[in-house]
Amino acid sequence: DIQMTQSPSSLSASVGDRVTITCRASQSISSYLNWYQQKPGKAPKLLIYAASSLQSGVPSRFSGSGSGTDFTLTISSLQPEDFATYYCQQSYSTPRSFGQGTKLEIK
Amino acid sequence: EVQLVESGGGLVQPGGSLRLSCAASGFTFSSYAMHWVRQAPGKGLEYVSAISSNGGSTYYANSVKGRFTISRDNSKNTLYLQMGSLRAEDMAVYYCARDALWFGELLFTAFDIWGQGTMVTVSS
Repeated sequence: DIQMTQSPSSLSASVGDRVTITCRASQSISSYLNWYQQKPGKAPKLLIYAASSLQSGVPSRFSGSGSGTDFTLTISSLQPEDFATYYCQQSYSTPRSFGQGTKLEIK
Repeated sequence: EVQLVESGGGLVQPGGSLRLSCAASGFTFSSYAMHWVRQAPGKGLEYVSAISSNGGSTYYANSVKGRFTISRDNSKNTLYLQMGSLRAEDMAVYYCARDALWFGELLFTAFDIWGQGTMVTVSS
């Protein structure tokens, strides 16, 4: 099974900041990497698929990059509604494993 | 509106059984593979099980293999998760999710639609 590791586990930032979250796969997964946002008490929401493709309706301040084993999610200018937990997920093989999550908190 | 609605969660004693349902609407259910993902209180997302669009292929995480059974009824647009021999560590919110496809140079997939989740509590 492919292991996904995110860093950092938590992050404090201010509105307007540029934030980057990293995800590393235990083996090469090409561009088979997705990012989700989850707010407390809610289901996860798809933000990015195929490492860098923005899901319909997601603001353009979100972007993804990377291939192989190393990936990043960047939020260019944090908005109040962006404070949430973010998960990466590989879709290269089943089980479609998730990272442990990165909690983005208000500084 | 495209949506998934889970039901069937509740309180069950250790060793007991429960069947979760996930009702799909607003899309052609029979065209999509489906998945179950769970989240223990205060924890991250854990991948549980998958089923192909026609039900012919299934997958189970090692943590639930032999105890859980995934199935679907495409005539009723419904996904199921039969859970048996439940343990304290199975306590979680269970989400069903649709596996969307994007065709390009490669075929990419992601969980684009999620249900609201149903809570399973295992306690005596």
